[in-house]
Amino acid sequence: SQTIHQWPATLVQPVGSPLSLECTVEGTSNPNLYWYRQAAGRGLQLLFYSVGIGQISSEVPQNLSASRPQDRQFILSSKKLLLSDSGFYLCAWRTGRANEKLFFGSGTQLSVL
Amino acid sequence: GQSLEQPSEVTAVEGAIVQINCTYQTSGFYGLSWYQQHDGGAPTFLSYNALDGLEETGRFSSFLSRSDSYGYLLLQELQMKDSASYFCAVRDRRSGYALNFGKGTSLLVTP
Repeated sequence: SQTIHQWPATLVQPVGSPLSLECTVEGTSNPNLYWYRQAAGRGLQLLFYSVGIGQISSEVPQNLSASRPQDRQFILSSKKLLLSDSGFYLCAWRTGRANEKLFFGSGTQLSVL
Repeated sequence: GQSLEQPSEVTAVEGAIVQINCTYQTSGFYGLSWYQQHDGGAPTFLSYNALDGLEETGRFSSFLSRSDSYGYLLLQELQMKDSASYFCAVRDRRSGYALNFGKGTSLLVTP
C-alpha cells in the first residue's frame, strides 16, 4: 500500500533562518507531487508541483523553493524565512492525472517568530 | 483563472442533515471533488463527481450540475465527529493536475 511521510510535524524557526521540509512517498512510482500551504482558518494554496524527478513548477512567487532529487522525495526549502511564511505545510501526491484522489501527508505546522 | 465559492461556516444539530454548496468558475472542467479536514489534520478525500447527478457514499452524498457550475455535499445523520472543514476542489490542468481548493466551510455539529 502507498504511504506518505512528512516531517517534522511542528517547527518553530526565527526570522531569517533556513528551512527544509521533507516528504517521501512509498509504494508507488512516478507520482505527481505537490506542496500546499494553509494559513490559519484558510484554504489550501498550491505552492509547487512536480511531475517528475528534477521537474519543479512554482505557482506563487516567494522566497520558498522546492526540489525533487528522487522519484518519491519532495523537499521544500527556504534560505531566509519571513514572518509571512508561517502556516501549515502539506505535501500531497497522486498517481497520474487520471486519478482524482490526492493523498496528503500529515503536515508541518511552521511558526516563524 | 479558477475560483470556488462556498459558505464559510455552517452549524447543524446532531442527527440532522446539512448541505454545503459550492459554485465554481473554471476553464476546462474535470470534475468536482470534496475533502474533509479536521482541526490540525490533513485533508482526506470524500467524493468526486465528473458527471451530473448524485453520488452516494454512506452518510455522505455529493451532487453536481455542470450546466450551473454548482455542486453540493450532503451530510446525513450528522454525528459530532463530522465537525470539520469541508473543501470543494477542481482540477487545474495547468498545474500538473493539482487541485484548486475553495476556502472551506467550517461545519459545527452541536448536541
